[in-house]
Formats: sequence, C-alpha cells, structure tokens
Amino acid sequence: NAGVTQTPKFRVLKTGQSMTLLCAQDMNHEYMYWYRQDPGMGLRLIHYSVGEGTTAKGEVPDGYNVSRLKKQNFLLGLESAAPSQTSVYFCASSYPPGQGDTEAFFGQGTRLTVV
Amino acid sequence: ELKVEQNPLFLSMQEGKNYTIYCNYSTTSDRLYWYRQDPGKSLESLFVLLSNGAVKQEGRLMASLDTKARLSTLHITAAVHDLSATYFCAVDPGYNNNDMRFGAGTRLTVKP
Repeated sequence: NAGVTQTPKFRVLKTGQSMTLLCAQDMNHEYMYWYRQDPGMGLRLIHYSVGEGTTAKGEVPDGYNVSRLKKQNFLLGLESAAPSQTSVYFCASSYPPGQGDTEAFFGQGTRLTVV
Repeated sequence: ELKVEQNPLFLSMQEGKNYTIYCNYSTTSDRLYWYRQDPGKSLESLFVLLSNGAVKQEGRLMASLDTKARLSTLHITAAVHDLSATYFCAVDPGYNNNDMRFGAGTRLTVKP
C-alpha cells in the first residue's frame, strides 16, 4: 500500500520556468490538499479538493494552479516560478468528515528551489 | 479567518521530565489533529480529537481537546530522546469549509 506518493522529490527551477508536481493516492480518499512548508511557519494550505473535478483556494493560492481530473491524482502547477516559491511542498489526502477518522495522510514532500 | 497558535515554538527538556504543548485556535471547531514530523521527513498522524472533552493517549503522549476554550494540549510524560521531533496541531473549521490550518509547530528536543 503506497499511500500518498509525490513526484518529483527534488527540483531546481530557474525564475520564470514552469513545472507540475504530481500527487497520487491509493486510499480512495475524496479530499486532497497541497501545502507548502517554510521554516518557522508551519504548513500553509495552497489549494485543496473535495472531490474529482473540484478545487478550492486555501490560505496562499497566488502563483499556483491545481487540477483534479481523476480522484486519485491532484496536480499542482507553477506557471512562472519565483524565488519566493522556494519551499517544501506536501500533498495530503483524507476522508470527508463523518467517515471515520479524518486525519490527513501526507506524501514524502517535494523540495523545490527556485534560483 | 481561522488562526492556530502553538506554544512554545521551541522546547528543550531533560529525559524523564514532563511538559505540555498548547494549541489555541480562533474559531469554532470540533476536529483537531496532532502530527509529528522528524527532520527531513513527512508528517505522521498522532491523534484525532473529534469532540469536546476528547482525550487520547499513546505511550508517553496524551492529547486533549476543550472546544469551549478552543484549546488542545499535548502532554509529554517522562520524556525520552526518541520523542525529539516537531509537533504540529491542525484544526479543521467544519463541514462546509475544509481549509484545515496548522500551527507553526513545536520543535521538541529531549536531552539525556
């Protein structure tokens, strides 16, 4: 059981380049999330999805786009990378409220550096 | 807007001692989570607290939730070095809003 898998694990981008981070989960979770983690700031929610074909903005959505075309995948895109987007990105998934324990399961993270 | 505050942010303690980490949040919620993160690793779920008065224990860690005070605590009993990690609380605002917010984390170091 792989759980939540993120690709790639590491990436270095030049300012202005674009890239897509892929998150895949095999737990049949409805909800999926993208967070960024910066030193001293905990995790901040970028975008989330409560089901296939639906997405919503989180706390820090600017500069990012997402898509959830399949239930098991949640993609995070950076159209024009900026140094301020240097961070560690985590994907997570969970069941909806009312369906048992609803804690989020996290991927291993993607360390992105924008130079 | 939901705000989640943890304190302390840094905690250095001796093995065998007890301590409590606090998590305050700003809006009504009855779902709170505690996670552990080891350096360079992902987050691991520790506790799920789903109602007022909920208390859960696992080994030397015990978590509780007081929804009226908007406060959760993570109590560490007789700390050991293996508990050294960063601990995060996270609050889910409710059924119509899944914007789960995390505290800044408490970096715990347990010294022999």
